[in-house]
Amino acid sequence: NAGVTQTPKFRVLKTGQSMTLLCAQDMNHEYMYWYRQDPGMGLRLIHYSVGEGTTAKGEVPDGYNVSRLKKQNFLLGLESAAPSQTSVYFCASSKPGLDTQYFGPGTRLTVL
Amino acid sequence: GQQLNQSPQSMFIQEGEDVSMNCTSSSIFNTWLWYKQDPGEGPVLLIALYKAGELTSNGRLTAQFGITRKDSFLNISASIPSDVGIYFCAGQLAFYGGSQGNLIFGKGTKLSVKP
Repeated sequence: NAGVTQTPKFRVLKTGQSMTLLCAQDMNHEYMYWYRQDPGMGLRLIHYSVGEGTTAKGEVPDGYNVSRLKKQNFLLGLESAAPSQTSVYFCASSKPGLDTQYFGPGTRLTVL
Repeated sequence: GQQLNQSPQSMFIQEGEDVSMNCTSSSIFNTWLWYKQDPGEGPVLLIALYKAGELTSNGRLTAQFGITRKDSFLNISASIPSDVGIYFCAGQLAFYGGSQGNLIFGKGTKLSVKP
């Protein structure tokens, strides 16, 4: 099993540009999550999904949108990127009812 | 939002020494998890704790779920160079308004080992 994979690994955007980050998992997990990690900070939850077709806001959802059209994929979109969104983005997945989350390798995004 | 206080923020140790770090909160948690993150990688789960008082080991790592349910600690015995990295605690609150599965993360303990 590949576990949780993320594409791309690196991206540089200009302010105002849009992009989509893709997360895929092959563990048949119901729950998926998007976090951002900033220097000296822990992981902060952006959005999450408890099943195909459902999404919900996390701690820092502003400026992001998500979609879960297939159980194995969770997409994070930035419609109009801002420098404050420069960060490392991690996707994670878990089984329902369990708290153990498995993380992808991360996407490093820089917004100029 | 809710906060987890993780300490120390960083530490340098001599190879072979034991390491201890902890997380505390003013809130009660149902679950405590400990992750390790290597540079350029995602966090990897080390130990999961689900009951107050639970003591669990994974090789040289030992973690405990505090009796008050407001804290947890992680010990690493006989540290080696590959222990270098950032260690995060994470917990799920006993009472929360969001959906099941949401975790709160500490800010991490950066471990550096002198060879």
